[in-house]
Amino acid sequence: GAVVSQHPSWVICKSGTSVKIECRSLDFQATTMFWYRQFPKQSLMLMATSNEGSKATYEQGVEKDKFLINHASLTLSTLTVTSAHPEDSSFYICSAGGQASYGYTFGSGTRLTVV
Amino acid sequence: EDQVTQSPEALRLQEGESSSLNCSYTVSGLRGLFWYRQDPGKGPEFLFTLYSAGEEKEKERLKATLTKKESFLHITAPKPEDSATYLCAVQIPMKTSYDKVIFGPGTSLSVIP
Repeated sequence: GAVVSQHPSWVICKSGTSVKIECRSLDFQATTMFWYRQFPKQSLMLMATSNEGSKATYEQGVEKDKFLINHASLTLSTLTVTSAHPEDSSFYICSAGGQASYGYTFGSGTRLTVV
Repeated sequence: EDQVTQSPEALRLQEGESSSLNCSYTVSGLRGLFWYRQDPGKGPEFLFTLYSAGEEKEKERLKATLTKKESFLHITAPKPEDSATYLCAVQIPMKTSYDKVIFGPGTSLSVIP
């Protein structure tokens, strides 16, 4: 089945620093990857759609200068949280789609804590 | 506006007590509806995809059904290990080259031994 690997799984950083999260499709090519954010006991909120070789499409209310998305190859998308603040602390999850029988495959998520 | 709702928000069942979870959607177009299971601190785990009204899929104690307005996830004789948050998501075709997937708020299921 389709596998998506996400790293790191947990990161603690200081306010003002930047953090990069990687999302890799291991056994399939993903022209499109999605980035979600999840607050405790809430559902997944779509942040942006990442397209290989082009600019990401951000959802309304998501700051594109703060959440930098790069999709440089068919198997890798990255999300960089720039100048992180405590309110950016959350669970970030990526997913990649295309294989209908498997739905959209999700990474294991990254828990970001900004102190 | 595309919207997905789920009910109930939380459900407590005794082991063996069957029940159903509901997912209702109002969307501009539907290419597919997904059910996922999510355990605390982990990413969602795929369960089912449904494409058209009347379709049903089963896996162990779970059965998912779809109508034009909603989907149900039926849990038969649940066990404590079925405790998790169950998420419903819809795939919406867009004018761009990709589809958008939006999630409902989830139902938190607790199965008591």
